[in-house]
Amino acid sequence: DAGITQSPRHKVTETGTPVTLRCHQTENHRYMYWYRQDPGHGLRLIHYSYGVKDTDKGEVSDGYSVSRSKTEDFLLTLESATSSQTSVYFCAIRAGTDNSPLHFGNGTRLTVT
Amino acid sequence: TQLLEQSPQFLSIQEGENLTVYCNSSSVFSSLQWYRQEPGEGPVLLVTVVTGGEVKKLKRLTFQFGDARKDSSLHITAAQPGDTGLYLCAGVRASNYQLIWGAGTKLIIKP
Repeated sequence: DAGITQSPRHKVTETGTPVTLRCHQTENHRYMYWYRQDPGHGLRLIHYSYGVKDTDKGEVSDGYSVSRSKTEDFLLTLESATSSQTSVYFCAIRAGTDNSPLHFGNGTRLTVT
Repeated sequence: TQLLEQSPQFLSIQEGENLTVYCNSSSVFSSLQWYRQEPGEGPVLLVTVVTGGEVKKLKRLTFQFGDARKDSSLHITAAQPGDTGLYLCAGVRASNYQLIWGAGTKLIIKP
């Protein structure tokens, strides 16, 4: 199994508070992704990174920011959480951009009350 | 906009039956990946199909990539309760290698 760890696994927070989710990999893969998964929507890309300090927006990036200061860590921040950001968040890593598959962490279930 | 239509969204069948899940698009993909996800876990890759018309078999699971590389199917023969899960398809865009995800098929196999 790919070495990818997400923390925390569960979090409950209040509307308006900042939240940071962490993704840590031990595979030295260049590409890292943050997705959210909601019923009926499948996986939607929030942000991705193609190297240290190199990030780009996905299809649902509003309200989220990311940082990647080291190859192994990719942080997702909700500056001011809203109820619409209640979701399950998955981090994924990828060795290359050809037909390489994604390897996923086990997710963070975030509830914003 | 859902660029990769996956159907059915939900399927509940008896053990021993056969089933097929479809992923269809108007876009051409470099390849198509199938994942399976169990509750509380992230998706795990089952197979990647790359060549138009390619057929890959994984025990009772048969994956096919359309000749035009716009669609794919997953066929399960003699389904078993252990096949229960969420099945996701993802097309790899030929232009930039980004993944386009289907909405998933939730499969329940009843004993």
